[in-house]
Amino acid sequence: DAGVTQSPTHLIKTRGQQVTLRCSPKSGHDTVSWYQQALGQGPQFIFQYYEEEERQRGNFPDRFSGHQFPNYSSELNVNALLLGDSALYLCASNPGLAGLTDTQYFGPGTRLTVL
Amino acid sequence: AQKVTQAQTEISVVEKEDVTLDCVYETRDTTYYLFWYKQPPSGELVFLIRRNSFDEQNEISGRYSWNFQKSTSSFNFTITASQVVDSAVYFCALSVTMEYGNKLVFGAGTILRVKS
Repeated sequence: DAGVTQSPTHLIKTRGQQVTLRCSPKSGHDTVSWYQQALGQGPQFIFQYYEEEERQRGNFPDRFSGHQFPNYSSELNVNALLLGDSALYLCASNPGLAGLTDTQYFGPGTRLTVL
Repeated sequence: AQKVTQAQTEISVVEKEDVTLDCVYETRDTTYYLFWYKQPPSGELVFLIRRNSFDEQNEISGRYSWNFQKSTSSFNFTITASQVVDSAVYFCALSVTMEYGNKLVFGAGTILRVKS
C-alpha cells in the first residue's frame, strides 16, 4: 500500500522563477493538503483540495496556487519566487473532506531552495 | 486563537533515560483533536497518535505514552527508556475546523537528541 509520494525531492530555483511540485495521495485518499515548513519551524497550512476544487486556504498570497486531478493527485505552483519561499513543502492526504476525526498522512516533502 | 505551543526547543538525553515533551494548546472549539507527529532527518512527518477532546484517558503504546489534561490544555508525550532511533523533531498539532474540512495547526516542534 503506497503512502503519500512527492516529487521532486529537491529543487533549486532563482528569484522570480516559477516552480511546480507534485503529490500523489495515499491509496484510498481523495483529499490533499499542502503545508510549508520553513527551517526550524512547524508546518504552515497553505491550502486543501477535494473533488478537484480548492476548499480551504491558509494565509498565503495568490502566488501560491494549486490543482487537483481526477486521479486525486495534486500540484502546488509558486510564481515569482522569493528568497523567503525556501522551505520544505509537505503534502498530506486523508479520505473524504477532512473532518476533525481524520488523520492526515504526510509525504516526504520537496525541499525548495530559492537563490 | 487556535495555537499550539511547544516551549522546549531542544532536549538532549542519554540513551535509556525517560523524556517528556510538552505541548500546550489554545482553541475556542469544544470538540477538537490533538496529534503528535515525528519528523526524522528524512523529512517525512510520521503520525504517532490522535486524541479527541472528550477522551482524557492516558494512552500507552510500547515505550510511548501520552497524558492529555483538558484542565491545563496540555497534551504531553513521554518516551520511556529512550533510544538513539528516537532522535527526531516532534510536533504537536491541533485539528482546526474550517468552513469545509479541517487543517492542522502545528507547534514549532521539539528537537530530541538521544545520545548513546
